[in-house]
Amino acid sequence: DTEVTQTPKHLVMGMTNKKSLKCEQHMGHRAMYWYKQKAKKPPELMFVYSYEKLSINESVPSRFSPECPNSSLLNLHLHALQPEDSALYLCASSRGNRGLGTGELFFGEGSRLTVL
Amino acid sequence: AQKVTQAQTEISVVEKEDVTLDCVYETRDTTYYLFWYKQPPSGELVFLIRRNSFDEQNEISGRYSWNFQKSTSSFNFTITASQVVDSAVYFCALSEAASGTYKYIFGTGTRLKVLA
Repeated sequence: DTEVTQTPKHLVMGMTNKKSLKCEQHMGHRAMYWYKQKAKKPPELMFVYSYEKLSINESVPSRFSPECPNSSLLNLHLHALQPEDSALYLCASSRGNRGLGTGELFFGEGSRLTVL
Repeated sequence: AQKVTQAQTEISVVEKEDVTLDCVYETRDTTYYLFWYKQPPSGELVFLIRRNSFDEQNEISGRYSWNFQKSTSSFNFTITASQVVDSAVYFCALSEAASGTYKYIFGTGTRLKVLA
């Protein structure tokens, strides 16, 4: 079983809806990531949080809003999405205490989002 | 700039055959990390191995083995006596630790189909 838990596993939303994706890890990792993955493509980095602070925003549209309430939780708030935003959204964490980028990423199973 | 190339888009083998997945990377840094991840149909990326740029020793773990050659900038992955459960998409990834980047660059992935 994965140690990174994502909810919900599936989400269908209209373009005017507001929804949130949630991610939780209890491994004591201090770096958390959101990735977006379209079918038959590699994961694309969206956001990185390091020690609960936003470190990287890969020019993601503002209709995606990340939040890191504490070191174990990571949210992705969704508002006014477009059909092309339909994808698998993956959360990951890494140790981050000896320099990010050196440790492996631990991924959740993802939240499969469909925007109608 | 960082780049990871997985030239094999899809490979099909018959069970018990050996198969090698190729990974070629580009980086200007002398300190970097290479990874392999497996993504089964369930969606979660599973970490398989990490190798740093100063350790060129090949590694074997059960039916899996990895060949890291700095001279050719390659980090190839071999599955011996493949099984149906090995069917998945395999991603090679690179992270440049020296530059302090938090980014993991993924290759485009190789879809492996193991036929019974």
